[in-house]
Amino acid sequence: GQQVMQIPQYQHVQEGEDFTTYCNSSTTLSNIQWYKQRPGGHPVFLIQLVKSGEVKKQKRLTFQFGEAKKNSSLHITATQTTDVGTYFCAGRGTNAGKSTFGDGTTLTVKP
Amino acid sequence: GAVVSQHPSWVICKSGTSVKIECRSLDFQATTMFWYRQFPKQSLMLMATSNEGSKATYEQGVEKDKFLINHASLTLSTLTVTSAHPEDSSFYICSALLNRVDEQYFGPGTRLTVT
Repeated sequence: GQQVMQIPQYQHVQEGEDFTTYCNSSTTLSNIQWYKQRPGGHPVFLIQLVKSGEVKKQKRLTFQFGEAKKNSSLHITATQTTDVGTYFCAGRGTNAGKSTFGDGTTLTVKP
Repeated sequence: GAVVSQHPSWVICKSGTSVKIECRSLDFQATTMFWYRQFPKQSLMLMATSNEGSKATYEQGVEKDKFLINHASLTLSTLTVTSAHPEDSSFYICSALLNRVDEQYFGPGTRLTVT
């Protein structure tokens, strides 16, 4: 079945440093979504990427979808303490209506 | 917009009893809802896809007779954990698919503890 792998599992950064998490699927995706989950909270939808090579920005966050639609990345510029949490990618296969979540990358930011 | 609620937010039950969790899309209709389970510090594991007016589709390894799903209306799906055991203790999260933009919106989750 479809597998979605996310790296790294954990990332500790100093406030102001950049952060990137990578998501790789074993199969081609129809779309990929990114979520953020704060400790003790529930996943919150951040963005969806659909097109091959698509790049979207939300303030300090930059999302990319690979040309082959099998990988994606989330990059945060100049991290802030409010960025802490676990970032999940979820890839939706081309033949299924469900999404498979990666294991998440937990970001901690040292002030 | 696109708010999903879950009830209860937490529940403690005795082993052998059944617990029902509700998932509601408050400001949109959702023909498809998903039920996930999340263990501490782990990812979300899809349990089943709930389709309004039809039987749920369960993921491999999920017992359909133990986790009963009913999606009787476009705004409500329920998950009933039958004959609960301590190993069923977990965080259960639902999501509703906002069809027109193909986005999932998650509920706040239900923390189930079986004693």
